Amino acid sequence: GDSVTQMEGPVTLSEEAFLTINCTYTATGYPSLFWYVQYPGEGLQLLLKATKADDKGSNKGFEATYRKETTSFHLEKGSVQVSDSAVYFCALSSTGFQKLVFGTGTRLLVSP
Amino acid sequence: DAGVTQSPTHLIKTRGQQVTLRCSPKSGHDTVSWYQQALGQGPQFIFQYYEEEERQRGNFPDRFSGHQFPNYSSELNVNALLLGDSALYLCASSTSTTNNYGYTFGSGTRLTVV
Repeated sequence: GDSVTQMEGPVTLSEEAFLTINCTYTATGYPSLFWYVQYPGEGLQLLLKATKADDKGSNKGFEATYRKETTSFHLEKGSVQVSDSAVYFCALSSTGFQKLVFGTGTRLLVSP
Repeated sequence: DAGVTQSPTHLIKTRGQQVTLRCSPKSGHDTVSWYQQALGQGPQFIFQYYEEEERQRGNFPDRFSGHQFPNYSSELNVNALLLGDSALYLCASSTSTTNNYGYTFGSGTRLTVV
């Protein structure tokens, strides 16, 4: 079945450092790929998405490129802020009924 | 524009009891999905409702059931609660009329089974 694998956390960075969170997937067909963010005590917020190979999703300085050849969708940001501290989830949705399959999440901690 | 509303925000139940969680979707959305998020884990898909019918179901036992009303709101029912049912239950709404996959999540209901 479909699955998503994320790098384990926590990822601890200083403010203004470069961020990469790795995500790889296994799926039949051509899924859409997503990054969601969860702040403490809150639900999930869509950060960015890509619906086909080579698409780049971007939002709030975060970027991720849909790489079909490596089945990856790594999240990057050039300069993190303390306010970026949260848990980040990579997810996919295969064509059809829009069910989301999530990774286990990666906690990001950014210190001043 | 109100987003997804879930109620209650927290509740505590005893093993063996039954619980009902409620979700109102974002305005304009007609599809509701439910997810279970155990502590430190990613959300797991429970089921999805569209046109008042269960359209797809994840790997959850029959103790988990749901309902969608004509106004698109939804309920999640869990019978014979187990300690392992303790989790954050998330509702997500979306629309079936676009290919946008624009899910909107609620803030969740934190269920504790003691």
